[in-house]
Amino acid sequence: NAGVTQTPKFQVLKTGQSMTLQCAQDMNHNSMYWYRQDPGMGLRLIYYSASEGTTDKGEVPNGYNVSRLNKREFSLRLESAAPSQTSVYFCATGETGYEQYFGPGTRLTVT
Amino acid sequence: AQRVTQPEKLLSVFKGAPVELKCNYSYSGSPELFWYVQYSRQRLQLLLRHISRESIKGFTADLNKGETSFHLKKPFAQEEDSAMYYCALGDGNNRLAFGKGNQVVVIP
Repeated sequence: NAGVTQTPKFQVLKTGQSMTLQCAQDMNHNSMYWYRQDPGMGLRLIYYSASEGTTDKGEVPNGYNVSRLNKREFSLRLESAAPSQTSVYFCATGETGYEQYFGPGTRLTVT
Repeated sequence: AQRVTQPEKLLSVFKGAPVELKCNYSYSGSPELFWYVQYSRQRLQLLLRHISRESIKGFTADLNKGETSFHLKKPFAQEEDSAMYYCALGDGNNRLAFGKGNQVVVIP
């Protein structure tokens, strides 16, 4: 079992470019989450999906869109990347009880 | 809105010395609190949760509702405890609000 996988691991974009971060889980969890991790800011929730077919905004959704493609996959899209979106992005899954299982992260740099 | 405060960004301790990471929260309901840990080059993972009242890797954390705190403690730090630690608060909808994190460095 791979748990939670994310692709790519690293990405460099130029301002204005778009990209999609992929997340997949084999844990059969209903809930999936996208976070960004910035120095001194901790982990901040971008979007989450409580179940297949539903998505909701988190704390910092501006500049991002998400798709819950099916129960396994939850993608995060940057339509027009900005330097402020330089960050490490984590996908996570969970069921009831708040224990969340995290992916390895994607390190994104926007120049 | 719920909020989690971790006041110290960086904590350096000598091996064998006690470690205490402070976490304060604000929440109108009955809180569910957690500590997550991220070791170097590893994924963020759950360390412990208040409802379990367990000790993991020598760490304990007690929920103090009067002081709205959930401090993480270990009596004798080990080098393998060097990591980033996050306090997190459940919001009642399967979402977590994380604090800004504490970087712990254990000096040999």
